[in-house]
Amino acid sequence: QQQVKQSPQSLIVQKGGISIINCAYENTAFDYFPWYQQFPGKGPALLIAIRPDVSEKKEGRFTISFNKSAKQFSLHIMDSQPGDSATYFCAATRYGQNFVFGPGTRLSVLP
Amino acid sequence: GAVVSQHPSWVICKSGTSVKIECRSLDFQATTMFWYRQFPKQSLMLMATSNEGSKATYEQGVEKDKFLINHASLTLSTLTVTSAHPEDSSFYICSARKLAVVYEQYFGPGTRLTVT
Repeated sequence: QQQVKQSPQSLIVQKGGISIINCAYENTAFDYFPWYQQFPGKGPALLIAIRPDVSEKKEGRFTISFNKSAKQFSLHIMDSQPGDSATYFCAATRYGQNFVFGPGTRLSVLP
Repeated sequence: GAVVSQHPSWVICKSGTSVKIECRSLDFQATTMFWYRQFPKQSLMLMATSNEGSKATYEQGVEKDKFLINHASLTLSTLTVTSAHPEDSSFYICSARKLAVVYEQYFGPGTRLTVT
């Protein structure tokens, strides 16, 4: 019940295209859903986050869509750039404790 | 800002020795710090949560006598891997949480540990 599933495992997108990564959770007690971006050999960095009372949040080229009834949320990267090539992790937490991370998605944006 | 540093960034040690990794919040006070472990091409696994001035809370399956965590001040937490073995080789990442900002955590750059 603590697991967060994430797909796809890897994703290749052309420059300018839209990258979409999906996550699903089981624990309805989770109340915060962040996305992190990680470059090789570096620690993750918070990209964008959403709470379950909001269906969509947009920050620049990054958008989270949240479907509470389906217990799913997704990250959309618009106008994908080669600099976006990284590993993306979705995560979930309750009260900021015991963050649970998805397995990650390796995104490659081709120039 | 919210900058977290780790030292060292990489370390090689011999089997049976102990290694200490430092995690510092440089421009904010952190009542809570988290320690994660990440194997190559895998996700982050929470090892323990440390609160300043109290004992760390370890996740199930993490040996607390092997991974000693100390959070002695609001800006410093340390992870000591005792009697390290090759299977302890991994990427260790800490994160810190600001006072009164419960949901956000700021990650350090990680420490690559290789045990030979």
